[in-house]
Amino acid sequence: GENVEQHPSTLSVQEGDSAVIKCTYSDSASNYFPWYKQELGKGPQLIIDIRSNVGEKKDQRIAVTLNKTAKHFSLHITETQPEDSAVYFCAARALTGNQFYFGTGTSLTVIP
Amino acid sequence: NAGVMQNPRHLVRRRGQEARLRCSPMKGHSHVYWYRQLPEEGLKFMVYLQKENIIDESGMPKERFSAEFPKEGPSILRIQQVVRGDSAAYFCASSPSGNGDQPQHFGDGTRLSIL
Repeated sequence: GENVEQHPSTLSVQEGDSAVIKCTYSDSASNYFPWYKQELGKGPQLIIDIRSNVGEKKDQRIAVTLNKTAKHFSLHITETQPEDSAVYFCAARALTGNQFYFGTGTSLTVIP
Repeated sequence: NAGVMQNPRHLVRRRGQEARLRCSPMKGHSHVYWYRQLPEEGLKFMVYLQKENIIDESGMPKERFSAEFPKEGPSILRIQQVVRGDSAAYFCASSPSGNGDQPQHFGDGTRLSIL
């Protein structure tokens, strides 16, 4: 089955700086990669996703890049704000797969 | 425009009791997924259901755990004879189809505590 690894497990940045979270996956059949933000006591919320026919996608301060050859994808948050503080999860899924495989999460703290 | 609704939000059970967790998917979604999350870990897939059908239960323990998604009403995750190790947050997600490139939308979970 798929194995998704996520780094770093914790990340602290100054407000206004950029944050980068990286994930690798093992199954070359995976072709859908969402990112979720989870705040304390809440469920994961989808913030951005990318499909394998695209190398990069951007939505305001958030961007995701995908390198299918190297089997890794990254989340980039620019101009970080305190409200970006949360746990971020990457995930991977194959087109014919039934489940998402999640990374172990990155706890992001944005210091005002 | 309600999202995925889970209840109860918190559930406390004593060892040996039964736990029932309910999930109502987003309007128009007929595919439901259950995940389990242990503290400071990612989400682990348990089961995938469509209305009246279990599609994939490969992540669910063979004993004590069962799930259903009836024609009418919410999806139910049932844990019989709970043990301390069942303490976790259980999340339900839904999607409009089972296509692999569609996002899953999550509820806020049920936090199960076993005394």
